Amino acid sequence: TQLLEQSPQFLSIQEGENLTVYCNSSSVFSSLQWYRQEPGEGPVLLVTVVTGGEVKKLKRLTFQFGDARKDSSLHITAAQPGDTGLYLCAGRDNYGQNFVFGPGTRLSVLP
Amino acid sequence: DAGVTQSPTHLIKTRGQHVTLRCSPISGHKSVSWYQQVLGQGPQFIFQYYEKEERGRGNFPDRFSARQFPNYSSELNVNALLLGDSALYLCASSLSPSNEQFFGPGTRLTVL
Repeated sequence: TQLLEQSPQFLSIQEGENLTVYCNSSSVFSSLQWYRQEPGEGPVLLVTVVTGGEVKKLKRLTFQFGDARKDSSLHITAAQPGDTGLYLCAGRDNYGQNFVFGPGTRLSVLP
Repeated sequence: DAGVTQSPTHLIKTRGQHVTLRCSPISGHKSVSWYQQVLGQGPQFIFQYYEKEERGRGNFPDRFSARQFPNYSSELNVNALLLGDSALYLCASSLSPSNEQFFGPGTRLTVL
């Protein structure tokens, strides 16, 4: 079973601060995805990373896939209250069949 | 364009009852996956269907079953409900099993 761990579990910061959250595994994934989920709603896809070492930017969000495709990070610059939510990483195993989610990082950005 | 839709949005059942949850994928998507998300945790994979065939199954008991219809919509059935089945049940659709998944808003099931 391929497992994903996320850290920190909870993060509360002030508006304007920067932050990084992490997604780690001992297994290799063919791809990793990052989602943001708000209470009572389904996860919304933010980005997919496929190539080891890949870096993708989405406005103030920067995503990186580890060289060995076992870990990923999400960096948010100048966080805003609208960034508040549960950030989930998810990986597809090398067979492309099963999709595994991490437990998530719950981010709270205070105005 | 309509996204993934799920019904009902909320459901309250008692232990031992059964429940059927429904999902309509994005138009053109042929793959549907079901996930269980317990409060405070990430979603756990239950089933994936593609072209009406089961393509993947997570570590859930036989009380959980699903099917996909010719129009690619899907049902998740849970028999003999337990208190621990209380969760948000998410449906995700994709063009094919290896493509990006798009999630519906979920069905919140409460078992009393």
